[in-house]
Amino acid sequence: AQSVTQLDSHVSVSEGTPVLLRCNYSSSYSPSLFWYVQHPNKGLQLLLKYTSAATLVKGINGFEAEFKKSETSFHLTKPSAHMSDAAEYFCVVSPSGTYKYIFGTGTRLKVLA
Amino acid sequence: NAGVTQTPKFRVLKTGQSMTLLCAQDMNHEYMYWYRQDPGMGLRLIHYSVGEGTTAKGEVPDGYNVSRLKKQNFLLGLESAAPSQTSVYFCASSYRAGAYNEQFFGPGTRLTVL
Repeated sequence: AQSVTQLDSHVSVSEGTPVLLRCNYSSSYSPSLFWYVQHPNKGLQLLLKYTSAATLVKGINGFEAEFKKSETSFHLTKPSAHMSDAAEYFCVVSPSGTYKYIFGTGTRLKVLA
Repeated sequence: NAGVTQTPKFRVLKTGQSMTLLCAQDMNHEYMYWYRQDPGMGLRLIHYSVGEGTTAKGEVPDGYNVSRLKKQNFLLGLESAAPSQTSVYFCASSYRAGAYNEQFFGPGTRLTVL
């Protein structure tokens, strides 16, 4: 069965330090992979998506994610956290050839001043 | 473009009451989805539609019905609300499914059932 695991439910970082949010997936063949961000009381906004053109994907607001097929991972990173990055982040996998978008349970990022 | 809009933003119901949530998109997307979001559970798919006039069950369809009479609109109905349906409901749309097509989300409807 297809699944997504976000390895940390909560992550705290200091402002200006790197961010790492971890995501592992299980899926056959070449899945579509996405990261979304949800600020409090808001809808979900796309941060970035893996399109198979490159394994390192750049998104909005300085976020990046690297697709590692051998590790079935799609971790989200940012070199320097900003207070405005405090939000919940969702890793999503869409197995090829299906209508499904499978969501991880989310990682809540806290940024400390 | 407004993107995906949802009506209403908030609603309080009593057990047994009915209501309809409206989702509208102006991007000419074929696929539309209804999710519910509960703490610690991510988003769970209630129903989805692959085109005008079609609907299908998702992961948690019990207690909900949907209709897609027009391509741009996707309605979610609760016939007899229960406290277990207290949640935040999100509508989403996509041009197609998968194949690197991202979903676009509405702002959500916060529903409380007393």
